[in-house]
Formats: sequence, C-alpha cells, structure tokens
Amino acid sequence: AQRVTQPEKLLSVFKGAPVELKCNYSYSGSPELFWYVQYSRQRLQLLLRHISRESIKGFTADLNKGETSFHLKKPFAQEEDSAMYYCALSDNAGNMLTFGGGTRLMVKP
Amino acid sequence: EAEVAQSPRYKITEKSQAVAFWCDPISGHATLYWYRQILGQGPELLVQFQDESVVDDSQLPKDRFSAERLKGVDSTLKIQPAELGDSAMYLCASSRTGRETQYFGPGTRLLVL
Repeated sequence: AQRVTQPEKLLSVFKGAPVELKCNYSYSGSPELFWYVQYSRQRLQLLLRHISRESIKGFTADLNKGETSFHLKKPFAQEEDSAMYYCALSDNAGNMLTFGGGTRLMVKP
Repeated sequence: EAEVAQSPRYKITEKSQAVAFWCDPISGHATLYWYRQILGQGPELLVQFQDESVVDDSQLPKDRFSAERLKGVDSTLKIQPAELGDSAMYLCASSRTGRETQYFGPGTRLLVL
C-alpha cells in the first residue's frame, strides 16, 4: 500500500533561516510527488510537483528515489510562508492521491 | 477566477441521521474528488469520478456512504446513518483531467453529536 510520512507535526524557524520539511514515501512503482499548502483561512492548493521541476515562492523539492524522499526546502524563510504543508503522491496517471499527515511551519519574526 | 463551490460550509447533525454535501466543480473539469480530513490528519481520498463514472471508491465506506455525479457536473456525497466518527472536514476537488492540478473547495465541516 502506498504511504506518505511527514515526521514533523510542527516546524518553527526564525525569519531568514533555512527551512526543510521532510517527506518520505512508500510506493511500488514510479509515483508522482506533490507538495500542497494551506495558508490560514484559505483553501488547500498545489505548491509544486516534482515533474515540473519548478521553484515556487522560493521553494524547491528534489525527488530522491533511493531514499524514497521528497523533502521541501527554502533557503530563507519568510513570515508569509507560515502555513500547513502536505506532501502527497499519486500513481503516474494522477489517480489515488495520498496525503501525508502535514507539517505546520511557523516562521517567527 | 473560477473556484470549486461546496455547500453547506458547516453541518451539525445527530448520530443516525442522514446528511448530504454538495459540490460544484470548476466548469469543464472532468475529474471530481471527495476527500475526508479528520482533525490533525491529511486528506483521505473517498471517491474519484471521471465524468459521471466512478474511477476509484476503494476507501469509501459503502455501508453508509454514497456518492453520485449523475450528469457529470456537480456531485453529492451522502452519509446515512451518520456516526460520531464521521465528524471531519469533507473536501471536494476537481481537475481538468486526472493528470492535471486538483483545485480544492472550501470544505464542509461536519459535526456529529
């Protein structure tokens, strides 16, 4: 069965500090990996997906198939990055999107 | 900008009662999803539609939950009878196709007393 694990429920950093939100997955095959974000009082929205290899709002994520990880990184955190972040995976047809439990990022001034 | 609409936004019901949620996807989106999010957890896919057909409902508790998308546009998720453990946020999402970005609605928060 496919599974996504986000080991940290809460991550607190100071503004300007680097951020790494961890995500590990288990899947037999070649999954598609995503990061979703939910800002306070807003809808859940896609932040980035590994196939696009984009940097969104300064965030990047590299798929490491050997370690089955897809950690989200940003070199300098901003207060507006404070939000709930969810890692997710699907099969390569986009079906069966499975979410991790989420990590709340708090960026302190 | 088009958005996924859901109603009601909040619902309080007593256990053993029936409850229904409605979702209107973004126009032109063929794929529609229902998720359940228990407090403190990530969303869990309940059912996925491609047009009016169910693609995946493996996680839908079929003894009490049902979902339909009769004309391939809007969708209804029903719970009958509701149980205390059904208290959660119910999210609807849509995408142009199954491979494209999913856009989420605001959710319906259900409380079963």
